Amino acid sequence: EIVLTQSPGTLSLSPGERATLSCRASQSVSSSYLAWYQQKPGQAPRLLIYGASSRATGIPDRFSGSGSGTDFTLTISRLEPEDFAVYYCQQYGSSPAITFGQGTRLEIK
Amino acid sequence: QVQLQESGPGLVKPSQTLSLTCTVSGGSISSGSYYWSWIRQPAGKGLEWIGRIYTSGSTNYNPSLKSRVTISVDTSKNQFSLKLSSVTAADTAVYYCARGAGVTINWGQGTLVTVSS
Repeated sequence: EIVLTQSPGTLSLSPGERATLSCRASQSVSSSYLAWYQQKPGQAPRLLIYGASSRATGIPDRFSGSGSGTDFTLTISRLEPEDFAVYYCQQYGSSPAITFGQGTRLEIK
Repeated sequence: QVQLQESGPGLVKPSQTLSLTCTVSGGSISSGSYYWSWIRQPAGKGLEWIGRIYTSGSTNYNPSLKSRVTISVDTSKNQFSLKLSSVTAADTAVYYCARGAGVTINWGQGTLVTVSS
């Protein structure tokens, strides 16, 4: 089973700043089958990025993903108030199991 | 736009079987090359993938839960279901059903299941 470790656990930033979130895998993620989700309180997760770097439908271009192998990054270029939430990475290339990282909480400084 | 809705008891006694159903609307559960998943989230904690089923009937389960989990699909009702046996308080969580094609694309709103006597 591939274990995903996200860092930092909590990131405190101000609106307008740039956010960089990390996701490291315990072994190489097949074909960059790595996704990022945003979750707000009381809501289901929302898909932001798939295939490590492709934005899902309707996701603003301030969100970008990069990386391959075992190291992946989600970047939010300029934070908007609605971006403060919890972010999860997910790998979906390893059979039989899909796994999630433990999450990064992005909070307003 | 496909929508998913979980349903089932909100309270289950320890050692009993948790049973949930996900109803799919806005599209046929049989169309396309999708899989149908269950994912859970204990309060204040992260996401845990439980398992998935393809419309062919083939399944994959989280190895840590495999001995207790059964996922099935009823194409005539456009539904798929989760059964988790021998539950304990550690199984208390919000349970989500979801649709995927590789990545998990669409999620239900989630339903809270509490395991308590």
